[in-house]
Amino acid sequence: DTAVSQTPKYLVTQMGNDKSIKCEQNLGHDTMYWYKQDSKKFLKIMFSYNNKELIINETVPNRFSPKSPDKAHLNLHINSLELGDSAVYFCASSQGAGGSLDTQYFGPGTRLTVL
Amino acid sequence: AQSVTQLDSQVPVFEEAPVELRCNYSSSVSVYLFWYVQYPNQGLQLLLKYLSGSTLVKGINGFEAEFNKSQTSFHLRKPSVHISDTAEYFCAVTDRSNTGKLIFGQGTTLQVKP
Repeated sequence: DTAVSQTPKYLVTQMGNDKSIKCEQNLGHDTMYWYKQDSKKFLKIMFSYNNKELIINETVPNRFSPKSPDKAHLNLHINSLELGDSAVYFCASSQGAGGSLDTQYFGPGTRLTVL
Repeated sequence: AQSVTQLDSQVPVFEEAPVELRCNYSSSVSVYLFWYVQYPNQGLQLLLKYLSGSTLVKGINGFEAEFNKSQTSFHLRKPSVHISDTAEYFCAVTDRSNTGKLIFGQGTTLQVKP
């Protein structure tokens, strides 16, 4: 059973389109995260949610909007896609209130390519 | 604010040789330290973490790391590597707040050759 799953695994789209990436965790965790990994493999946190409440909101363009319908799901919607949005997006989850002690479990990633 | 520097972008090593992947961090407050591994086309997996106590931390797959506060380092070591250890390794730091915000280094590619 996959603990943290993401769909789709690959996403190829045109500039200007709107797309969503879905994330689900079956670990019973309270906190979920989105990370972006660029072409140089640099990883940076974008958002975190704890029990559907936004906790971390880094300096990410407003075109990115996370949505958490319940604590097991955290989706990422991206409007007006740009070339620079091409990256691998990782979802992660951790138990508890997202404290720094908690281990984060990562999904397999979604490779987004904007043409 | 915290930052992490992984001093080597690539480390080639022969199978069964020892390896050290270097990580230095910068922070004005106390931190927790982590090493994650990313196998090809997979997500990240926690190798080990330092929270407090003994400065030598043992993790999965025979890896260990030593926290050195005076040198602000958290180097990862393995006495004998296998081909299956070929992967990307990330050092990360977080402050001791309640946000869980991980700051990652640039990653080190470990290439184990037969």
